[in-house]
Amino acid sequence: NAGVTQTPKFRILKIGQSMTLQCAQDMNHNYMYWYRQDPGMGLKLIYYSVGAGITDKGEVPNGYNVSRSTTEDFPLRLELAAPSQTSVYFCASSYTAPGQGVYEQYFGPGTRLTVT
Amino acid sequence: AQTVTQSQPEMSVQEAETVTLSCTYDTSESNYYLFWYKQPPSRQMILVIRQEAYKQQNATENRFSVNFQKAAKSFSLKISDSQLGDTAMYFCAFIVGGADGLTFGKGTHLIIQP
Repeated sequence: NAGVTQTPKFRILKIGQSMTLQCAQDMNHNYMYWYRQDPGMGLKLIYYSVGAGITDKGEVPNGYNVSRSTTEDFPLRLELAAPSQTSVYFCASSYTAPGQGVYEQYFGPGTRLTVT
Repeated sequence: AQTVTQSQPEMSVQEAETVTLSCTYDTSESNYYLFWYKQPPSRQMILVIRQEAYKQQNATENRFSVNFQKAAKSFSLKISDSQLGDTAMYFCAFIVGGADGLTFGKGTHLIIQP
């Protein structure tokens, strides 16, 4: 199993450009998440999904969009990039079933994004 | 609002010593799960240990153990016989129920000196 994969690893964007961060998992997890990590800080939740076709906002969703058309993929779209979106972005996945508790989240390697 | 506080921005110990990292959290929920994640310089987030809030017994994983004090909302991590490879950022986090994502603290930078 590859686990959680993210592309690209690094990207530099100009202000106002758009891009999509790709995330895929091969563990048949139903839950997927996007976080951002700013320097010296912990991770903050951007968006999450509990299954294909279902997404919801996290703590810091402004400036981002997501979609989940399949169980495996959960892309994050940045529209009109701004310097405040300079960060490291992590995708994660987990399996949760009713009455079975919460299991660990598996993280991808991250994407370092710089907006200048 | 749910919060996690890690009061030690950085700690440094000698190899083979025991070190304890502090974490306190705040939630009004009763069903939640607590985690410690390690982030080495490679940036990869690695699960260290997991604790269910409804379990009184403290979780252990080899050299890693927790002291979970539910009434005090405290969840400290003890690393025994510390090794150079333990040098990393350590993040305390929790999740309520299962739908929302993890809430993280700001992290503690642990340095193991040879």
